[in-house]
Amino acid sequence: AQSVTQLGSHVSVSEGALVLLRCNYSSSVPPYLFWYVQYPNQGLQLLLKYTSAATLVKGINGFEAEFKKSETSFHLTKPSAHMSDAAEYFCAVSKAAGNKLTFGGGTRVLVKP
Amino acid sequence: EPEVTQTPSHQVTQMGQEVILRCVPISNHLYFYWYRQILGQKVEFLVSFYNNEISEKSEIFDDQFSVERPDGSNFTLKIRSTKLEDSAMYFCASSATGGSYNEQFFGPGTRLTVL
Repeated sequence: AQSVTQLGSHVSVSEGALVLLRCNYSSSVPPYLFWYVQYPNQGLQLLLKYTSAATLVKGINGFEAEFKKSETSFHLTKPSAHMSDAAEYFCAVSKAAGNKLTFGGGTRVLVKP
Repeated sequence: EPEVTQTPSHQVTQMGQEVILRCVPISNHLYFYWYRQILGQKVEFLVSFYNNEISEKSEIFDDQFSVERPDGSNFTLKIRSTKLEDSAMYFCASSATGGSYNEQFFGPGTRLTVL
């Protein structure tokens, strides 16, 4: 069975500071990995995805994530936080195309001026 | 840009009533999904649908739930007799078929409140 663990349910960063959101996965097969963002009262929007083409994945809004098989991690980073980055971020894993997504518990990001 | 749409955005119902949540997936997608998010909890998979049949379902998706693709565009989730614990945000998603195109596109959700 697959699972995803996100360390830290809440993260507070200052505007302009590094954003680092941690995600570790367990999967019996090479996984597809995703980061989604949920703004208040909205649905889930895909930030980026890993599908084995490259270990460093660049997404929208300046976010990127690095797949590290040895650490079973897929941490999300952004060099400089913006106020508009305040949202909840979900890491998710699936094992194949057309397969269900298993989500982590989410990390809510607060950006301080 | 194509998007997944869901109606209604909010649904309030009495316990024991039937509700139907509607979704219009992206037109050339072949995989369809329902997820739910109880307030303050993680997003949970309910069911996936492909080629006019359920391909996978979770433990949550019991006999009270059903899905249907009644025509070429809509995808519905029916809850036959709602319980208080069905109160949640329900998300529909769709994806194209094959390989790395597993990106699931989510709709904005329907907030279901069972009184």
